[in-house]
Amino acid sequence: AQKVTQAQTEISVVEKEDVTLDCVYETRDTTYYLFWYKQPPSGELVFLIRRNSFDEQNEISGRYSWNFQKSTSSFNFTITASQVVDSAVYFCALSEASSGAGSYQLTFGKGTKLSVIP
Amino acid sequence: NAGVTQTPKFQVLKTGQSMTLQCAQDMNHNSMYWYRQDPGMGLRLIYYSASEGTTDKGEVPNGYNVSRLNKREFSLRLESAAPSQTSVYFCASNSHQPQHFGDGTRLSIL
Repeated sequence: AQKVTQAQTEISVVEKEDVTLDCVYETRDTTYYLFWYKQPPSGELVFLIRRNSFDEQNEISGRYSWNFQKSTSSFNFTITASQVVDSAVYFCALSEASSGAGSYQLTFGKGTKLSVIP
Repeated sequence: NAGVTQTPKFQVLKTGQSMTLQCAQDMNHNSMYWYRQDPGMGLRLIYYSASEGTTDKGEVPNGYNVSRLNKREFSLRLESAAPSQTSVYFCASNSHQPQHFGDGTRLSIL
């Protein structure tokens, strides 16, 4: 069975600090997808990034970067020079390619609440 | 660009009442999903529909029924609401990755 663990329940940082959100996953599939979603205080879910299991290249998008390591089953998310607007709950999620004909069910971690203090 | 639209946004029910949450998407997606979000639990899949005419149980289906009315619409029904079903409900859709989410329905059962 697939599982996503976000061990950090809550993190507080001072503005402009860097912060890394950890995500560890479990799956038996060789083909799968990993995601990060952001949920700001307003409550909507905002898609940030998708990675497939065959692409271990790290990615940088502005102040955001992601480190995918299959050897440790981890997909960590780093925010550089954090800002107050980064305050949100961040979810890591996993979708197995075999999760159902034509569908891509997501298994979510429990989320990490990030508070950026001015 | 409406995307995924959920109605209502808020609802308060009494224990034992029934309720249907509506979800519609305008992106011509094949698959649709219902999740619930509880504090400290992340999002958990209730039911999904891989394509029009099919529905399947997710992780937490008890107490719920769904209907895939057509390709656009996927409704979630609580036949006899219980306090344990107090939650925020999200609908999502996709044909390929990623899933696109609605803004959620905040449901309270008293």
